[in-house]
Amino acid sequence: GAGVSQSPSNKVTEKGKDVELRCDPISGHTALYWYRQSLGQGLEFLIYFQGNSAPDKSGLPSDRFSAERTGGSVSTLTIQRTQQEDSAVYLCASSLGQGRSYEQYFGPGTRLTVT
Amino acid sequence: AQSVAQPEDQVNVAEGNPLTVKCTYSVSGNPYLFWYVQYPNRGLQFLLKYITGDNLVKGSYGFEAEFNKSQTSFHLKKPSALVSDSALYFCAVRGGVGAAGNKLTFGGGTRVLVKP
Repeated sequence: GAGVSQSPSNKVTEKGKDVELRCDPISGHTALYWYRQSLGQGLEFLIYFQGNSAPDKSGLPSDRFSAERTGGSVSTLTIQRTQQEDSAVYLCASSLGQGRSYEQYFGPGTRLTVT
Repeated sequence: AQSVAQPEDQVNVAEGNPLTVKCTYSVSGNPYLFWYVQYPNRGLQFLLKYITGDNLVKGSYGFEAEFNKSQTSFHLKKPSALVSDSALYFCAVRGGVGAAGNKLTFGGGTRVLVKP
């Protein structure tokens, strides 16, 4: 079946611009997670959704970052006024539920470069 | 807070030899442990998990991992490595209380290089 998909696969933007990253989870998966992978910081948790609500958004690095999920499916991560330190690969994952025994399935990521 | 340590940045092994990738963790309460593999320019692929029960868990591509509660370790193993196993491996843990325990906390990753 179809896995987690993310778009765009690559995004180059100028410092100060806003960007939107999209994630389509596996059909039927109720939990959706955003992570960031960068050379200096490794893999960091950003936010997760159970349905359309976000029980834990503790990993969002600043108020420039926001995310939403609609219809219990697609999610969008928005970064406003991008900075060079936002350059990273943004990974989305989904799982059948938010319970800790469920493994998360990852998408291929969006590589964001801020110039 | 939960944490994961992968003490080796890189592991080199000859094809056909056993492969071990080390992982230790810290978490309050019962740990839920996972291994993922990442190939170049790809997302993370799930390999295996420990939830409860048998300390030796088997996963995809011939990999297995041994949970050791007293040593708080969850080392990944493969009896006979293949060149195609060359990749970046991540150990991850979930645990603790409340919603914050549902996220995955990752180790820094271990690059595995299998030489022919």
